[in-house]
Amino acid sequence: EAEVAQSPRYKITEKSQAVAFWCDPISGHATLYWYRQILGQGPELLVQFQDESVVDDSQLPKDRFSAERLKGVDSTLKIQPAELGDSAMYLCASSLSSSGTGKQYFGPGTRLTVT
Amino acid sequence: GQQVMQIPQYQHVQEGEDFTTYCNSSTTLSNIQWYKQRPGGHPVFLIQLVKSGEVKKQKRLTFQFGEAKKNSSLHITATQTTDVGTYFCAGYSGAGSYQLTFGKGTKLSVIP
Repeated sequence: EAEVAQSPRYKITEKSQAVAFWCDPISGHATLYWYRQILGQGPELLVQFQDESVVDDSQLPKDRFSAERLKGVDSTLKIQPAELGDSAMYLCASSLSSSGTGKQYFGPGTRLTVT
Repeated sequence: GQQVMQIPQYQHVQEGEDFTTYCNSSTTLSNIQWYKQRPGGHPVFLIQLVKSGEVKKQKRLTFQFGEAKKNSSLHITATQTTDVGTYFCAGYSGAGSYQLTFGKGTKLSVIP
């Protein structure tokens, strides 16, 4: 079965540095999501794309986070500058559903540690 | 905003015992999904419920959606060690919202 790819799997950075995460969704999936998951909690949506357009970024801390999906395929999530509280798992998910309400396929995630 | 609450937060069971986790939403949901996350893994989709009062079964797992579409439950019969993980419910409120709101999950441990 096709999978969502993410890199890197682990990232350690110092606070105030910039970090970037990459996600390649399952081929043909129009909807792409970035989630943040703090240990012991459920995933929290940061941003949702439909093709190359942002559908929902209401939970994205826009002063330091940015996300893009230029050609409507793969996507990059950036944090600049990183803060200690950004330490978490960053999960990418994709969905075939264009309504944004279908089954989501998650990637393995990027574990970020900010020191 | 929409909140989804799950109880219990943790559950330890002896292998062979049954397990149930409950999910409650502060708002009416258009549909609800359940995911399982194994230790060190990522969430994996289990099922989606759409209709009021809907019941679906997958082998030893039974999923229910409440009549008011504000609560749901997952019941596992005769747990096995392979059932270990965290079970999340996640709901869409509809009304133009595309955001899937996850509960905090129930972490299941199975004692062999």
